[in-house]
Amino acid sequence: GQQLNQSPQSMFIQEGEDVSMNCTSSSIFNTWLWYKQEPGEGPVLLIALYKAGELTSNGRLTAQFGITRKDSFLNISASIPSDVGIYFCAGESNTGNQFYFGTGTSLTVIP
Amino acid sequence: KAGVTQTPRYLIKTRGQQVTLSCSPISGHRSVSWYQQTPGQGLQFLFEYFSETQRNKGNFPGRFSGRQFSNSRSEMNVSTLELGDSALYLCASSSPTTGEGYTFGSGTRLTVV
Repeated sequence: GQQLNQSPQSMFIQEGEDVSMNCTSSSIFNTWLWYKQEPGEGPVLLIALYKAGELTSNGRLTAQFGITRKDSFLNISASIPSDVGIYFCAGESNTGNQFYFGTGTSLTVIP
Repeated sequence: KAGVTQTPRYLIKTRGQQVTLSCSPISGHRSVSWYQQTPGQGLQFLFEYFSETQRNKGNFPGRFSGRQFSNSRSEMNVSTLELGDSALYLCASSSPTTGEGYTFGSGTRLTVV
């Protein structure tokens, strides 16, 4: 099935630094979602985006729905150790009913 | 409200056996999707059920099957287990009326030996 290109694949950063990751697709999506997964648990929804150009924040997290509807970005400001995990993007196609997931960005925050 | 519940959390099976995993969605959610997660392949879509009907299916062999009951609870079955079936199986429920995307369960960790 379709898979989104997510980058970077992994990041090692110092506590306090800002983080940026993005997701691109060859197809247009109606909805973009960003999830975080911690070891041994299922992904947890962080931010949902429903309109091209939309910019949404959730605490230190900010995500944007790209104008072309083929990409999305997630930024984390002033990272802290509990930000550690794997971040996934997901897009819902025009036909609806199914979400396609990115390959994930593994984030390590060094205290 | 209660989240998505998956049982069991952990399972060890022998190659050739079959296994059934269970998922109880959030109350009111009628769509249930199943994903297989492995370190090398990421999240791979298995299938989606809505109102007891399979609405979408991923690219998995026929050994993988599922069903959904009238109360929206869903089960996933894998027959003739292979070593490569070892993975975290995630269930997610959603409601088209809320537009909140998926809510995932904690998953079932299946190990095939």
